[in-house]
Amino acid sequence: EPEVTQTPSHQVTQMGQEVILRCVPISNHLYFYWYRQILGQKVEFLVSFYNNEISEKSEIFDDQFSVERPDGSNFTLKIRSTKLEDSAMYFCASSEKMGEFGYTFGSGTRLTVV
Amino acid sequence: AQSVTQPDIHITVSEGASLELRCNYSYGATPYLFWYVQSPGQGLQLLLKYFSGDTLVQGIKGFEAEFKRSQSSFNLRKPSVHWSDAAEYFCAVGGYQKVTFGTGTKLQVIP
Repeated sequence: EPEVTQTPSHQVTQMGQEVILRCVPISNHLYFYWYRQILGQKVEFLVSFYNNEISEKSEIFDDQFSVERPDGSNFTLKIRSTKLEDSAMYFCASSEKMGEFGYTFGSGTRLTVV
Repeated sequence: AQSVTQPDIHITVSEGASLELRCNYSYGATPYLFWYVQSPGQGLQLLLKYFSGDTLVQGIKGFEAEFKRSQSSFNLRKPSVHWSDAAEYFCAVGGYQKVTFGTGTKLQVIP
């Protein structure tokens, strides 16, 4: 079954450093998403992306965050200057059509900011 | 705004017993509804989804859910729980732009 692949699975970074989280969505999917789950809390929507632009973003997704689809297969989330409170599991997801057929999630990248 | 309520934070059931996890949603139109399962340290696995049609939806691992529009509910059920079902279960409602998750229900299965 097709999968969404996320790398790395775990990243440790120092506060103030930039990090890039990488995702390879399912090849025929057109809609891409990032979600975040702080330890012990619920999964929160960050941003949706379609046709090379952001469709919607949450209040969490401030100027420190950016997304990009640098080529035909990767979808990245950049955090410009990490803070301790950015420590979380970050999930990438993709869908074939907006909302329909469900969203396929990757296994996540655990980001630890020290 | 869309929202999901999972009123049970933690549920304990005996292996072999039946299970029902509750989910209530708020959404302005016909919702897309999902149940995901998450094992500790793992990603989110889709159990089942509802878009339209038959209100009783079958999913993987023997799970089913029933959409009740009048009650704004989408409860997850399983007739006989296995020890491997111990995990956290998230109900979610999806619009065109995003999925909103509930706070999750942790399922503990005892022998």
